[in-house]
Amino acid sequence: GESVGLHLPTLSVQEGDNSIINCAYSNSASDYFIWYKQESGKGPQFIIDIRSNMDKRQGQRVTVLLNKTVKHLSLQIAATQPGDSAVYFCAENMKGGSEKLVFGKGTKLTVNP
Amino acid sequence: EPEVTQTPSHQVTQMGQEVILRCVPISNHLYFYWYRQILGQKVEFLVSFYNNEISEKSEIFDDQFSVERPDGSNFTLKIRSTKLEDSAMYFCASSGRGRVSGELFFGEGSRLTVL
Repeated sequence: GESVGLHLPTLSVQEGDNSIINCAYSNSASDYFIWYKQESGKGPQFIIDIRSNMDKRQGQRVTVLLNKTVKHLSLQIAATQPGDSAVYFCAENMKGGSEKLVFGKGTKLTVNP
Repeated sequence: EPEVTQTPSHQVTQMGQEVILRCVPISNHLYFYWYRQILGQKVEFLVSFYNNEISEKSEIFDDQFSVERPDGSNFTLKIRSTKLEDSAMYFCASSGRGRVSGELFFGEGSRLTVL
């Protein structure tokens, strides 16, 4: 079966708050992880990625944390804005040359003004 | 900003009919993919394509599915005899560096409805 899953299907936050979206994975062979944002009616959009030799990576307003000990991935969004409302997917890629990304089920983030 | 474009945006077909979904990847990309998303579910890998051949496919991608790059710009997904369970959003994606980058650029999808 698929190895990527999510703890919460929905998350509602107030504008300006920080958001944390979580993802659990079970395949220790995965060495590359990506967060995607999917707005309604659109395709997934790359947000940030991290390789397994890192614990943390920061982008603009976003931070991804990787805890390999407990196989946990999180996406932190600082100062969440209404435009951040979307479904967020984590995805993993296994080492060994596979082209395949395995996606989680997604967390729907709603930002309330 | 370069983008992946897909046509049609929505296609309705009868069960058993053939469907061709079209994609124009980003022009200098070399790796091409199809994913699908059944309504309310997660995105699933179908197939990857590089150097004019399939490099990897999932168990979903059975003999009813095929891909082709008929010219230098288009990348198509054909379903020979559609089934009800093929109803989904189909996303084309392309990458400049394959899994080394992992950064896929997705199109906006083609919604397939099989009646």
